[in-house]
Amino acid sequence: EAQVTQNPRYLITVTGKKLTVTCSQNMNHEYMSWYRQDPGLGLRQIYYSMNVEVTDKGDVPEGYKVSRKEKRNFPLILESPSPNQTSLYFCASSPDRGLGQPQHFGDGTRLSIL
Amino acid sequence: GQNIDQPTEMTATEGAIVQINCTYQTSGFNGLFWYQQHAGEAPTFLSYNVLDGLEEKGRFSSFLSRSKGYSYLLLKELQMKDSASYLCAVRDGAAGNKLTFGGGTRVLVKP
Repeated sequence: EAQVTQNPRYLITVTGKKLTVTCSQNMNHEYMSWYRQDPGLGLRQIYYSMNVEVTDKGDVPEGYKVSRKEKRNFPLILESPSPNQTSLYFCASSPDRGLGQPQHFGDGTRLSIL
Repeated sequence: GQNIDQPTEMTATEGAIVQINCTYQTSGFNGLFWYQQHAGEAPTFLSYNVLDGLEEKGRFSSFLSRSKGYSYLLLKELQMKDSASYLCAVRDGAAGNKLTFGGGTRVLVKP
């Protein structure tokens, strides 16, 4: 089954404790992206990757890091999480960034930073 | 940059029709997507418009007017399961085809 898998689905942690949210897709998609979703603000892009070893900042990259060592994986790293990073996070992928290609979303990761 | 506006919330009755509007301002329009998102779940793709006109998919239709920077999503024969948020997203060809989402419209379907 074609899917985007995120882990963990839920995490409660404390300020400053490094964490990684994994994202994996099995569709051989080139383009992957991370979003955060907050009430009233919609989906905002954190980072994206157009292919292996190619990553770039989205609209709200501060406090986050990503890597794309393999095509299928695109982990999101919070080196020193803070309470303002409490949010619902989605990973998404698409065949490329071109015309008419909808993004496939993972089920989301709800992070709470205390 | 892009500016995308859609109403925050709409209420409609089961069996009725609801139209969700989306207006946008972008320097290099290159396509518009509509997604459905149930509370706490992932967005799922509904429709895509890049040329002016109406795209129909069963009970859902989406319309685009590029000259007006305007789209709408039409939901017909509303069912209770259509209660969800509907997200408008615009692709900007002048920004490397970046996709920007509007804040979403929460639709509540009442019996």
